[in-house]
Amino acid sequence: QITLKESGPTLVKPTQTLTLTCTFSGFSLSSSGVGVGWIRQPPGKALEWLALIYWDDDKRYSPSLKSRLTITKDTSKNQVVLTMTNMDPVDTAAYYCAHLEYLLGHFDYWGQGTLVTVSS
Amino acid sequence: DIVMTQSPDSLAVSLGERATINCKSSQNILYNSDNNNYLAWYQQKPGQPPKLLFYWASTRESGVPDRFSGSGSGTDFTLTISSLQAEDVAVYYCQQYYSTPRTFGQGTKLEIK
Repeated sequence: QITLKESGPTLVKPTQTLTLTCTFSGFSLSSSGVGVGWIRQPPGKALEWLALIYWDDDKRYSPSLKSRLTITKDTSKNQVVLTMTNMDPVDTAAYYCAHLEYLLGHFDYWGQGTLVTVSS
Repeated sequence: DIVMTQSPDSLAVSLGERATINCKSSQNILYNSDNNNYLAWYQQKPGQPPKLLFYWASTRESGVPDRFSGSGSGTDFTLTISSLQAEDVAVYYCQQYYSTPRTFGQGTKLEIK
């Protein structure tokens, strides 16, 4: 059974760096073909794709946010970490991590999400 | 970026009636080498994460009721609920995974009339 859970601060100040951790079970990011992605959703708004990382450390980023995002994995801990620099109130959103298979491409398992508020 | 545009933005349908949601991509997302449309549909209920309904535009995820169907190819896609049930009230999103960034549509809010 695949599960994912996001963790991190609920409140960050403008200009600070956000670090979110996705802890998962039921699969390994050292297994060929596996990936984990991050998606966010501002309150009442649409989903926005942010980044993903594959088993072979191939990383993909949203071009509009690429300069601010870093995605890494720790296969020994079954974790994926997303950092976003220079946070702004418009970055207030629920942040989700999700599992995907490289050959399929869609997100089939999602975490419950974590709400991050950016405010001074 | 591939822009995904859904229509309508919101939809009210009577219980037992058909609901149809459209999704249009700004460029072709049919990959000729494998003849697959790189499109997924998700359902999101309030306070919950999105749930996968369809991938490859028309392949139903396990456990999704067969009143749901996905169709279309190239740039135009449709999600249909043949007989709306109360539990289908949600926001529905399409997503292309043909290229990065793997963009989502703006969502369609489905309500009971």
